[in-house]
Amino acid sequence: EDQVTQSPEALRLQEGESSSLNCSYTVSGLRGLFWYRQDPGKGPEFLFTLYSAGEEKEKERLKATLTKKESFLHITAPKPEDSATYLCAARRGTNKLIFGTGTLLAVQP
Amino acid sequence: EPEVTQTPSHQVTQMGQEVILRCVPISNHLYFYWYRQILGQKVEFLVSFYNNEISEKSEIFDDQFSVERPDGSNFTLKIRSTKLEDSAMYFCASSEAQGNQPQHFGDGTRLSIL
Repeated sequence: EDQVTQSPEALRLQEGESSSLNCSYTVSGLRGLFWYRQDPGKGPEFLFTLYSAGEEKEKERLKATLTKKESFLHITAPKPEDSATYLCAARRGTNKLIFGTGTLLAVQP
Repeated sequence: EPEVTQTPSHQVTQMGQEVILRCVPISNHLYFYWYRQILGQKVEFLVSFYNNEISEKSEIFDDQFSVERPDGSNFTLKIRSTKLEDSAMYFCASSEAQGNQPQHFGDGTRLSIL
């Protein structure tokens, strides 16, 4: 069965303290790995798409990487405004996205 | 920046009643989706829609659910006879094309069934 697992469930960082979020997937025939940010009471906001193992994408303090079994979202020198839930989702051969449960990130000043 | 808009933001309905959730996708997008998120759980796929047809649906999307694009801008999700377990946040999304084009989400409708 296709599955996406994210860890940790919650992460508390001090401002400037870099860290990584993990997304493990067991999806046969992966056709894309997506990262979204979700703020409370809002819908998921698209961040990155990764297509193949070895690929990396960057946006401001965020960098996403992909291997054959997992993806990492690296957060460098985070700021309080980076506090949110980060979701990853895998796409197989159709348009259906399979989401993980997310990592709740809190960055304290 | 173009965005997906959903109305209402919160809908409270008695069990057994019909409810229609409305979405205006991004204007040049061709693919439309509904997802739901029960409180504390994962975002779950319900249905995808293209060219006025359902292209894929999940096991959740049973005969109580239907989708429609009644005009050139709106995309609706109807639940015919609501159950307590339908209480969730419902997200509409759209994408320019299929494949690895990102799906852009609205801010959701919180559906509360009493």
